[in-house]
Amino acid sequence: QVQLQESGPGLVKPSETLSLTCTVSGGSISSYYWSWIRQPPGKGLEWIGYIYYSGYSKYNPSLESRVTISPDTSKNQFSLKLSSVTAADTAVYFCARIYGSGSFYADSWGQGTLVTVSS
Amino acid sequence: SSVLTQPPSVSVAPGQTARFTCGGNNIGRRSVSWYQQKPGQAPVLVIYYDSDRPSGIPERFSGSNSGNTATLTISRVEAGDEADYYCQVWDNSSGHPEFGGGAMLTVL
Repeated sequence: QVQLQESGPGLVKPSETLSLTCTVSGGSISSYYWSWIRQPPGKGLEWIGYIYYSGYSKYNPSLESRVTISPDTSKNQFSLKLSSVTAADTAVYFCARIYGSGSFYADSWGQGTLVTVSS
Repeated sequence: SSVLTQPPSVSVAPGQTARFTCGGNNIGRRSVSWYQQKPGQAPVLVIYYDSDRPSGIPERFSGSNSGNTATLTISRVEAGDEADYYCQVWDNSSGHPEFGGGAMLTVL
C-alpha cells in the first residue's frame, strides 16, 4: 500500500517561499497524479494543485500565480513551492495520491504537516 | 466559498442512522467522493464513485447521488464515527477537484 510523508519547515516568514516535499513509498510516482491539499486551522479542505510524473500540472486558480508543484522521479518525491506567503497561508498541508478514471479522488494521504507563516 | 453545500453538523444517537447531504447543481451527473477526518488526522476516503467503498471501510457506510443532492449514510452509528465528513467532486471542465465545506458528526 502506498504511503506518503510530508516534510519541510514548520515556520515561514511573511513574503518568503514555503517549500515542502512529499516522499512516496510502496509505489512509484511514475504513475497516477499527485496532489497537495491544505487545511487552515479550524477550516475545510482546499485543493492546491496536482502533477503527473511527466510534469503536467494543474493548479487552483486562486493560487496559480504563486504555486509550483514538481516531481522528482529519481527520489520518488514531489514538491510544493508557494511564494509570497502571508498569514492566510498558515495551514496543515497534506500530500495525496489522486486515483480514478474519468473522475478522480484522493485515495491515499500523508499525515499532514503544519506550516505557520509568522515573523 | 465552495460550490458544494453541506449542512455544517449532524447529530445522532449511537445505533441510529446519520445522513450527510452534499448539494450542487446537477451533482447527480458527477461522481462524488466522501472523506472522513478525525481530529488531528488526515482525511480518509470512505466512498468513491458515488457509492463504492474502499477496502477496509465498513458496509455501514453507503452513498447515493441523484439530481442536485449526494448523500452519505452511516448506519448503526458508533462513537468512533465522530468526525468531519467532506464531499468532493471532480470538475471535468476545469480539471480539478472541488470540496464541500464539511460537516461534523456528533454522536450523542
